[in-house]
Amino acid sequence: LAKTTQPISMDSYEGQEVNITCSHNNIATNDYITWYQQFPSQGPRFIIQGYKTKVTNEVASLFIPADRKSSTLSLPRVSLSDTAVYYCLVGGLQGGSQGNLIFGKGTKLSVKP
Amino acid sequence: DAGITQSPRYKITETGRQVTLMCHQTWSHSYMFWYRQDLGHGLRLIYYSAAADITDKGEVPDGYVVSRSKTENFPLTLESATRSQTSVYFCASVGSGTGRTGELFFGEGSRLTVL
Repeated sequence: LAKTTQPISMDSYEGQEVNITCSHNNIATNDYITWYQQFPSQGPRFIIQGYKTKVTNEVASLFIPADRKSSTLSLPRVSLSDTAVYYCLVGGLQGGSQGNLIFGKGTKLSVKP
Repeated sequence: DAGITQSPRYKITETGRQVTLMCHQTWSHSYMFWYRQDLGHGLRLIYYSAAADITDKGEVPDGYVVSRSKTENFPLTLESATRSQTSVYFCASVGSGTGRTGELFFGEGSRLTVL
């Protein structure tokens, strides 16, 4: 199973770009990399998913190097409302982990005015 | 309304009692999951199910029982609750077919306190 390692916490200021890196050295060929955001007292919410290179959507970008042993979630111009815990999840529903989707400990991002 | 719902949202019980947490999804998603989240900690996978009548253990299955007789329901039972099972429990679901993990949809959570 691909374990993930993320920084426990990060601080930023409004308007800055935030990059959160996740290490997953034993990622399997069939595994995808997915990032989730969680606010207190709520379930996690999907942000972005990728397999390799770069993926961008309306809220974030995901950078994955060729060896896929790490990934970086990039949040452009964060605001106070981006204060949350961010989880990197590595896995796939075919081959690989077959549903054994295990979250890492997450990164608590605090955005200050 | 479409979505994934959990019940009860809040439950207080005593040590040794049986408790069942319900999870219902309306999308006909193949996969369903139960996670627990302890105060200030991350999510830990308890059990998951790839389809009706197919379940498998996750990281922390001891003390829990699941069943999935219908695609839309995935109840989690604590047969004899212990204080260490005090936690917030999240149910999630995701479709399958493309090989991707897809987007996990989480319920609102069930906050369980065992006295």
